[in-house]
Amino acid sequence: QLQLQESGPGVVRPSETLSLTCAVSGGSIDSINYFWGWIRQPPGKGLVWIGSIYYSGSAYYNPSLKSRVTISVDTSKNQFSLKLSSVTAADTAVYYCARRDFSEAHFDSWGQGTLVTVSS
Amino acid sequence: QSVLTQPPSASGTPGQRVTISCSGSSSNIGSQAVDWYQQLPGTAPKLLIYSNNQRPSGVPDRFSGSKSGTSASLAIRGLQSEDEADYYCAAWDDSLNGGVFGGGTKLTVL
Repeated sequence: QLQLQESGPGVVRPSETLSLTCAVSGGSIDSINYFWGWIRQPPGKGLVWIGSIYYSGSAYYNPSLKSRVTISVDTSKNQFSLKLSSVTAADTAVYYCARRDFSEAHFDSWGQGTLVTVSS
Repeated sequence: QSVLTQPPSASGTPGQRVTISCSGSSSNIGSQAVDWYQQLPGTAPKLLIYSNNQRPSGVPDRFSGSKSGTSASLAIRGLQSEDEADYYCAAWDDSLNGGVFGGGTKLTVL
């Protein structure tokens, strides 16, 4: 059974870079059938799509975050990563990684999420 | 302000049928499939409906989805207390070239 696990610092200082990794187990990240994505949820608010990446490295980003976001994939470690630069308090959120169906675009498997707080 | 518009809240009594709407535009719902996610308190979202009206394995047939034009709906019949959760619609947006979510609807079982 596929499992995704987010990891990274729980606190990031303002203006610094948020870095998270999603380890994938029970399935291969280089499957041609899936993208791998990041979604975030500010406290008490709704879901926000951050971006998705294919195993080849081809990525799509939310236009509102695109200038600050980089998603990368490491097939040798079966994991993918998120970097968000120049963070502010508005970037405080639970960050989820998830698997996205290649052709139908839905997220069919999610990690448990990790809370990242931007604070000095 | 979310690209897809949902009512912030909905409610019903056990056994009742409730619907949750999701409104978009020609660049998302009008041309792409709609998915629905259920988020129980304190947990990660779970895929409930995909491709407008398909249920993943394990999702009860009490849940159903439909789409017409630039709007979609999630229907829950035979409402149960464990259905109390937040529900989100989602779709790909051709103009943004990215995914978009609705703002979410909090369902209360009275």
